[in-house]
Amino acid sequence: GQQVQQSPASLVLQEGENAELQCNFSTSLNSMQWFYQRPGGSLVSLFYNPSGTKHSGRLTSTTVIKERRSSLHISSSQTTDSGTYLCALPVNTGNYKYVFGAGTRLKVIA
Amino acid sequence: AQTIHQWPVAEIKAVGSPLSLGCTIKGKSSPNLYWYWQATGGTLQQLFYSITVGQVESVVQLNLSASRPKDDQFILSTEKLLLSHSGFYLCAWSPPLYFGAGTRLSVL
Repeated sequence: GQQVQQSPASLVLQEGENAELQCNFSTSLNSMQWFYQRPGGSLVSLFYNPSGTKHSGRLTSTTVIKERRSSLHISSSQTTDSGTYLCALPVNTGNYKYVFGAGTRLKVIA
Repeated sequence: AQTIHQWPVAEIKAVGSPLSLGCTIKGKSSPNLYWYWQATGGTLQQLFYSITVGQVESVVQLNLSASRPKDDQFILSTEKLLLSHSGFYLCAWSPPLYFGAGTRLSVL
């Protein structure tokens, strides 16, 4: 079955609105990352967050290991936040195999 | 500063032709290296990983091969391209995962 599930699949926001993106895992979690994929395809690492809460500007990542979930909160969205948000985690001992979710496609309109 | 340089930026190739994509790592000693592939509109899939020079493990079979001739270099190649090879190829290191800018491949 799918090891990483992201929701929602897509989201449209009015500029200034907040968003909550979810990532759920079927395997044990020992580290996970959130990425932003630009429309051109390149990936930017947003958070490396094994557990707890981390902040970066308007972004907050919260990972709860025992519940096998992680969330990415975007506050006061801007049109430049548009793109795809991906979560990923290693799924084998040694952390050499990483699995990505299908992503949340975010569109922020002015 | 740690950087990943991928080449070429984009390729348009004919079915049946050979392919070689590369990436060079700067500023990180003995990294774990990865090749990922993403079909248009698809999910990122890990193709290969390497934890040391000369050793490469395949994760997904796509009629591609990979080699790590130097600690800071990772090569993806095939002798005969298929239409299904089209997509976006990304090189990365870990931990944590950090990606290069990618190579967009169109096979016609």
